[in-house]
Amino acid sequence: GQNIDQPTEMTATEGAIVQINCTYQTSGFNGLFWYQQHAGEAPTFLSYNVLDGLEEKGRFSSFLSRSKGYSYLLLKELQMKDSASYLCAVMDSNYQLIWGAGTKLIIKP
Amino acid sequence: GAVVSQHPSWVICKSGTSVKIECRSLDFQATTMFWYRQFPKQSLMLMATSNEGSKATYEQGVEKDKFLINHASLTLSTLTVTSAHPEDSSFYICSVRGGTGEAIEQFFGPGTRLTVL
Repeated sequence: GQNIDQPTEMTATEGAIVQINCTYQTSGFNGLFWYQQHAGEAPTFLSYNVLDGLEEKGRFSSFLSRSKGYSYLLLKELQMKDSASYLCAVMDSNYQLIWGAGTKLIIKP
Repeated sequence: GAVVSQHPSWVICKSGTSVKIECRSLDFQATTMFWYRQFPKQSLMLMATSNEGSKATYEQGVEKDKFLINHASLTLSTLTVTSAHPEDSSFYICSVRGGTGEAIEQFFGPGTRLTVL
């Protein structure tokens, strides 16, 4: 079966760095997405990785290792507004998105 | 990226009534739209894929007679929850997919929160 695993909840301090991991097992691979979702709102796109390596975009970076079925989202210089759920999703061979359950990130002052 | 709107943003209805949710792609012609449902503290669950001009494709376990989908044009898809019950209370989100090759991105509408009393 297809499976996306990510931690349920993480806590970090304002100004610090946090890494949210995601492991996956899917039938085929056409890229991995990270989305941010604030409570009561729809997800918003953060990043897309289809090749191995690190993609940096401002305070957010995303890493992919296809051989390990592993990705992480790195958030630097954390701000209170970064408190949200972070969803990992993999596009399978049929171009369907398989979603993880999301990681709730709590930022403390 | 594509701009997707949904209407209404929230709706409260009595058990047994039907509710229609509209999803519009404002600046992108979408031959395919996706309908998701999200219960509190859970991930997105794909309900169905809406195809312009043809029947929707429903995921396993989703009743097509209860969740009616109409993709009337390249910019509009509607989801009708028929004879809604309290267990249908959820956050319903539509999305469109844009781009090709390495630029495949899914754009989400703001969601519709349905509460069935």
